[in-house]
Amino acid sequence: GQQVMQIPQYQHVQEGEDFTTYCNSSTTLSNIQWYKQRPGGHPVFLIQLVKSGEVKKQKRLTFQFGEAKKNSSLHITATQTTDVGTYFCAGPKGNKLVFGAGTILRVKS
Amino acid sequence: GAVVSQHPSWVICKSGTSVKIECRSLDFQATTMFWYRQFPKQSLMLMATSNEGSKATYEQGVEKDKFLINHASLTLSTLTVTSAHPEDSSFYICSAYPGLAGGPLGLGQHFGPGTRLTVT
Repeated sequence: GQQVMQIPQYQHVQEGEDFTTYCNSSTTLSNIQWYKQRPGGHPVFLIQLVKSGEVKKQKRLTFQFGEAKKNSSLHITATQTTDVGTYFCAGPKGNKLVFGAGTILRVKS
Repeated sequence: GAVVSQHPSWVICKSGTSVKIECRSLDFQATTMFWYRQFPKQSLMLMATSNEGSKATYEQGVEKDKFLINHASLTLSTLTVTSAHPEDSSFYICSAYPGLAGGPLGLGQHFGPGTRLTVT
């Protein structure tokens, strides 16, 4: 069945350093979504990418969707302590979502 | 907009008892809601898709007789964990797509705040 792999599992960075998490699907995706879950909180929708090769930015966050629509990345420039949390990618399967394992980001100040 | 609430936010129950968790869409109607379970430092695992007015669709490996889902209205879905055991202790989260345009080609899912269940 459809699988969504995400790496790395953990990332500890110094405040101000950049961070990237990568997502790879076993099948072509119609779109890919990214969510952020703060410690103790619930996932919050960040963005959806639909087009092949699409790049979207939200302030210090840059999201990319691969040309083959099978992989995606989230890059955070100059991390801040407020960026702490787990970042999940998710791909649709019918009307459901298949989530990646998530990348836990810790930021040392 | 697109707020999803859950009640209770946390619950502690004794082994063998049943616990009901409510999920409500506060400012939109949701014909479909999703129930997830999340263990510490793990990803979200979809348990079932809750459909208003019809039976829920359970994911493989999820016992439908243990996790009873009722989607009584367009704004309310409930998950009842029957005869709970310590291994059922987890974070249970519901979600829904807001709006008629919601879904895989529309906006992302909106999650409730979750219910932390501890079975002693």
